[in-house]
Amino acid sequence: NAGVTQTPKFQVLKTGQSMTLQCAQDMNHEYMSWYRQDPGMGLRLIHYSVGAGITDQGEVPNGYNVSRSTTEDFPLRLLSAAPSQTSVYFCASRVPGGGSTEAFFGQGTRLTVV
Amino acid sequence: SQQGEEDPQALSIQEGENATMNCSYKTSINNLQWYRQNSGRGLVHLILIRSNEREKHSGRLRVTLDTSKKSSSLLITASRAADTASYFCATAVIQGAQKLVFGQGTRLTINP
Repeated sequence: NAGVTQTPKFQVLKTGQSMTLQCAQDMNHEYMSWYRQDPGMGLRLIHYSVGAGITDQGEVPNGYNVSRSTTEDFPLRLLSAAPSQTSVYFCASRVPGGGSTEAFFGQGTRLTVV
Repeated sequence: SQQGEEDPQALSIQEGENATMNCSYKTSINNLQWYRQNSGRGLVHLILIRSNEREKHSGRLRVTLDTSKKSSSLLITASRAADTASYFCATAVIQGAQKLVFGQGTRLTINP
């Protein structure tokens, strides 16, 4: 199994550009999440989904959109990139269980906005 | 704000020594998990301890949980160079238990 796959691994955007970070998992996990990791800040939750068609905001949702049309995919969209969105982005998935299950992470997307 | 905070932020020890990292959190939790992140990689789950458990072991890892103090510790015994990584605690809060909230991490360096 591939687990959680994120694409691209690296991306440079100009301010104001839009792009979509892709995340796919092949473990049939209902829960998927997007985090950003900044130096000294740990991981902060952007958006999450508890199943196809259901999404909710996390800690730092502004500037990002998500959708969940299938169980497998959970793309993260930046509508108008800003330098403050320079970060490493991680997608994670896990099975249901009231939080009592481990999360599986992708390898990350390193995004630079200039 | 972050739910979990790790202490220390950085730790450097000699190979063979034990490493202890601490995590404090703010709200009531369903469980607490520890993850490892090697440089430039994704996070990997290490161990999960439920709110009604006080101690858990997995190989060279020992985790304790004190819900009255809202704190947890991760002990790595007989450290190896391969243990060099960042370690994060993550809490599954009771309200909104679908979310895992991560701390800022402890950067552990094992010197040969």
